[in-house]
Amino acid sequence: DAGVIQSPRHEVTEMGQEVTLRCKPISGHNSLFWYRQTMMRGLELLIYFNNNVPIDDSGMPEDRFSAKMPNASFSTLKIQPSEPRDSAVYFCASTRSGGDTQYFGPGTRLTVL
Amino acid sequence: GESVGLHLPTLSVQEGDNSIINCAYSNSASDYFIWYKQESGKGPQFIIDIRSNMDKRQGQRVTVLLNKTVKHLSLQIAATQPGDSAVYFCAENGNSGGGADGLTFGKGTHLIIQP
Repeated sequence: DAGVIQSPRHEVTEMGQEVTLRCKPISGHNSLFWYRQTMMRGLELLIYFNNNVPIDDSGMPEDRFSAKMPNASFSTLKIQPSEPRDSAVYFCASTRSGGDTQYFGPGTRLTVL
Repeated sequence: GESVGLHLPTLSVQEGDNSIINCAYSNSASDYFIWYKQESGKGPQFIIDIRSNMDKRQGQRVTVLLNKTVKHLSLQIAATQPGDSAVYFCAENGNSGGGADGLTFGKGTHLIIQP
């Protein structure tokens, strides 16, 4: 199994630009999670999906952030416009429906200048 | 709000010694707990989990202990090896049997193995 796949691994952009992060969950997993990791705040849940449906987006910091899951094998997290304080590592994780263990991808390190 | 936190940010141990990493949680409704290991530049990697109806669970060289009375859990690593150097996070999921809810993570403990 390839595990959770994220792209790009690194992204450097300028303030005001649109950023799109991508995630492919483990095949057969029905739940997908987006987390953000910073030194100050640690790992925080942003949003998660069950069966492609967003369940809880209360962790999304602002309207500049949006996430979609058009099918069971793909999700995007978009930031528009990006700001320097969005700089962080963004992780995607997935698990089986009703399962407990969340498996994390390698993360995307985002730097907004 | 309720949160999961760790007592120590850094723990240094000698290679071959046992390590104990602690975690306190405040959500009394939490019923599922997980320990993750995160190496530099990588995503969190599952180590071991435990449900609230248990107080101990063992894996390969790792043991998790849960004390619901004081809302504390710990991760014990036996005979630590250089490859154990990483940041360790505890996390909780308040939904029983639910990977369907997001996890709340502690701040992490950096385990350093001295040769």
